[in-house]
Amino acid sequence: DIQMTQSPSSLSASVGDRVTITCQASQDISNYLNWYQQKPGKAPKLLIYDASNLETGVPSRFSGSGSGTDFTFTISSLQPEDIATYYCQQYDNLPPLFGGGTKVEIK
Amino acid sequence: EVQLVESGGGLVKPGRSLRLSCTASGFTFGDYAMSWFRQAPGKGLEWVGFIRSKAYGGTTEYAASVKGRFTISRDDSKSIAYLQMNSLKTEDTAVYYCTREVGATAYWGQGTLVTVSS
Repeated sequence: DIQMTQSPSSLSASVGDRVTITCQASQDISNYLNWYQQKPGKAPKLLIYDASNLETGVPSRFSGSGSGTDFTFTISSLQPEDIATYYCQQYDNLPPLFGGGTKVEIK
Repeated sequence: EVQLVESGGGLVKPGRSLRLSCTASGFTFGDYAMSWFRQAPGKGLEWVGFIRSKAYGGTTEYAASVKGRFTISRDDSKSIAYLQMNSLKTEDTAVYYCTREVGATAYWGQGTLVTVSS
C-alpha cells in the first residue's frame, strides 16, 4: 500500500496568514493526489484534484502543487471559515489511502 | 443536482449484520463507480471499497480490513448502492459515507452512523 505522511497534524494561525500543509507519498504517485476539507459533523469536501486543479466553486485562496512523492497545499490568506481538518489522498493505486489530517485553528 | 443519501445505520451487536443503502439522484447512476468510505469517531478517513459500473464489469474491490466480511452491490434500476456488513466488530463503529467514483470524489453523502456495541 502507498502510505501518505501528512504534516503538521495541527496548526494555529492568524486570519490573513499563509498556511502550508505537506503530504509525502511512500512511492511515486505522479499527480494522483486530492486535498479535502472536512468541517465537524460534515462530509469531506473536495478542494483540489490531480495535485493542483481547483475544484469548481472553491475559492482561489486554496492551491496545491507537487508531483511524484512530495505535495503541498496552501491557503494564501486564512479566513475564519477555513477552520477545518484537511486531508490529502492518493488515488494512483488501491487502496486510496488518506494522510492523517491537519487540523487548522485560528490563533 | 447530484445527491447521495445513505441510510440503514444504527446500533448493532458484535457479530451481527447490517445493510446500508446509498440512494443516488441527479446523474445517470449506472455510468459511475460507487464507493464507500468510513470515519471512526475522532479518527481519519478510511476507504472501505467500491463497485465498478456495469460497463467495467461491475466488479468490486475492498480494503483489507473488511475483505471477506463486507459486500458492495448495486441496483442500477433503483439508483441504489448497498454495503452489506457481516460479522461486525466494535472497530467497525464509524460514520459511513457513500461517494460517486473512487478517485477525485467530489460527491459525498451526509453519512450514516454505525455503532457496533454489546
